[in-house]
Amino acid sequence: SAVISQKPSRDICQRGTSLTIQCQVDSQVTMMFWYRQQPGQSLTLIATANQGSEATYESGFVIDKFPISRPNLTFSTLTVSNMSPEDSSIYLCSVDRGDYEQYFGPGTRLTVT
Amino acid sequence: GQQLNQSPQSMFIQEGEDVSMNCTSSSIFNTWLWYKQDPGEGPVLLIALYKAGELTSNGRLTAQFGITRKDSFLNISASIPSDVGIYFCAGPHGSSNTGKLIFGQGTTLQVKP
Repeated sequence: SAVISQKPSRDICQRGTSLTIQCQVDSQVTMMFWYRQQPGQSLTLIATANQGSEATYESGFVIDKFPISRPNLTFSTLTVSNMSPEDSSIYLCSVDRGDYEQYFGPGTRLTVT
Repeated sequence: GQQLNQSPQSMFIQEGEDVSMNCTSSSIFNTWLWYKQDPGEGPVLLIALYKAGELTSNGRLTAQFGITRKDSFLNISASIPSDVGIYFCAGPHGSSNTGKLIFGQGTTLQVKP
């Protein structure tokens, strides 16, 4: 498994502003993922963040809205830009430990007012 | 596109009862994973399955990889209050070995003491 932390754990933000979410892993991993979980819903993959390459975004998600950095093998950030109330969700990072086994951070609970 | 359908959507059971839930896919999977999400937490990996027909246990939890490779089942025996949460099935997203996962809609379990 892996120990994964996220900062902040929760935030309340004004519409039009941006929030950067940090994800820290206790060991080096190649593949990291960012998910969105809207209220009462399942997890939706936003993008794959591999160190040394540009993030790969899923359909419906774009880099201008959700820029991602992956400066090293233990850290990644996701920014939610120009926020609207529809962005209110839990944002989760995960790491792949092989054979599709992903381990998740505790999540960042974002409320946009 | 790919879809995972979980059944039932929710369950309200008495403590001590056994629980069964299932997940069906629109396509063949080579891997099935089951996660549990407690309120306010990230999903936790419970069981991973890699072979059709495979039956794997983790304490009171038992999961099976369906022989058609399009379904999987999770059973919880002698439920206790801490079993409360949302259970998600997941499988590989897309045809290439990207490590990405697709998640089912979840089964919400409530246990009455």
